[in-house]
Order: sequence, then structure tokens, then C-alpha cells
Amino acid sequence: GAVVSQHPSWVICKSGTSVKIECRSLDFQATTMFWYRQFPKQSLMLMATSNEGSKATYEQGVEKDKFLINHASLTLSTLTVTSAHPEDSSFYICSARDETGDYQPQHFGDGTRLSIL
Amino acid sequence: TQLLEQSPQFLSIQEGENLTVYCNSSSVFSSLQWYRQEPGEGPVLLVTVVTGGEVKKLKRLTFQFGDARKDSSLHITAAQPGDTGLYLCAGPGNSGYSTLTFGKGTMLLVSP
Repeated sequence: GAVVSQHPSWVICKSGTSVKIECRSLDFQATTMFWYRQFPKQSLMLMATSNEGSKATYEQGVEKDKFLINHASLTLSTLTVTSAHPEDSSFYICSARDETGDYQPQHFGDGTRLSIL
Repeated sequence: TQLLEQSPQFLSIQEGENLTVYCNSSSVFSSLQWYRQEPGEGPVLLVTVVTGGEVKKLKRLTFQFGDARKDSSLHITAAQPGDTGLYLCAGPGNSGYSTLTFGKGTMLLVSP
């Protein structure tokens, strides 16, 4: 149980393109999902907290107009990287909080490798 | 800002050896979690510790939470190549009660 699916797993696109990444909780509902960014050999850095039915909460330094988050249902959050540039290339990982589990753990997707040419 | 320092950053051992990795902070955490992440995948939750002095076992993995709830350790007995991965500790973040802050991780390589 507690499976989180992230799609696509990797994407390569040209500079200036907008890219949408989906995060789905497959067997549980999640009012709260999270988006992280991970650079090579580094840890996960929280970008934003996605709240179902309301605006996302962004961490300091993360441009909300650059990284658009939509959490329209209890099982789906999307992250759109708008007008992507090479410096946006990274590994993006989502997680969903399981409110029914012990200590309400976060379950992670398998990440999306984004490469901007 | 609550920081989690993990050590060592990298560990390369032979199959069958034992090892311990550490997660330390100057702050008190209400709980700590340990994750393992394999290349190209998301982290997988191994355990959550919540009580000072708590010890939890998961097969060959033993997790301990310090009495003061400022540090934790992960001990692996008789490591196997399948244990290879990035081990991350995480605790509640400052951005909200449900956010997590991660340490930088310990990269473990177990060779046959």
C-alpha cells in the first residue's frame, strides 16, 4: 500500500518550453503533497507544500510564477515548470502525506529527471 | 533553522561487514525518520523513531534515537550489496508541522 506515482520519469526538452509533472497517490487520499528538488549528490530540498483546494505554500527563494502547483483533487498534484531553462535541470521528487498512517509519513514518487537543452 | 548533519558522507565496504551511520543535530526533534534512496528513484521510508532512547529493528538494520532526541544512528549488520544506496535522515521542518527537513545523506556502497 501507500504508493505514489510520478509521471513522467524523465523528460528532455528545449529551453523555453513548459513542462508539467504529475504526482498521484494511488491507494490513499492526500490533502497535502510536497515537491522537492534534488541536485546530484545532494539531499532533497523542499520547494513547496501543495494543499488540496488551496494555494501552495512556497519555500523561500522558490519562484511561485516559475513553478506552478495545482492540487485539484485528493489524489493528484501537478508541478509545471514554466519557460524552463538549463538551470532548471534537476531531479524533481514529489511526496504525499498519508494521514491515516502512523506518524502520518510521507511516501515518495520515483522522481522526474528533467533535462533542459 | 533545524539542521541535520549526517556522517560519514560516503562509505564503501565489503559484503558481510558491519557499519553505523549517524544523524546529529543541535536541535531537539519530536521524531526522526530514516529513508533509503536508490539512484534514479525516490526515497523509501525505513523507520520513524519518536521516543528518546528508542531502539527499532528492521531485519539487519537497527535504528536508535538518542535520549535527548537530538541524534540518531543506523547500524547495519552483515551488509549485503542490496543495502547499497543513499541513507537519509529527516525530521519535522520549520515550514509547517507536516514538512520534512533532510540531512545530506550517507552514500553506502557494499561490494560483493
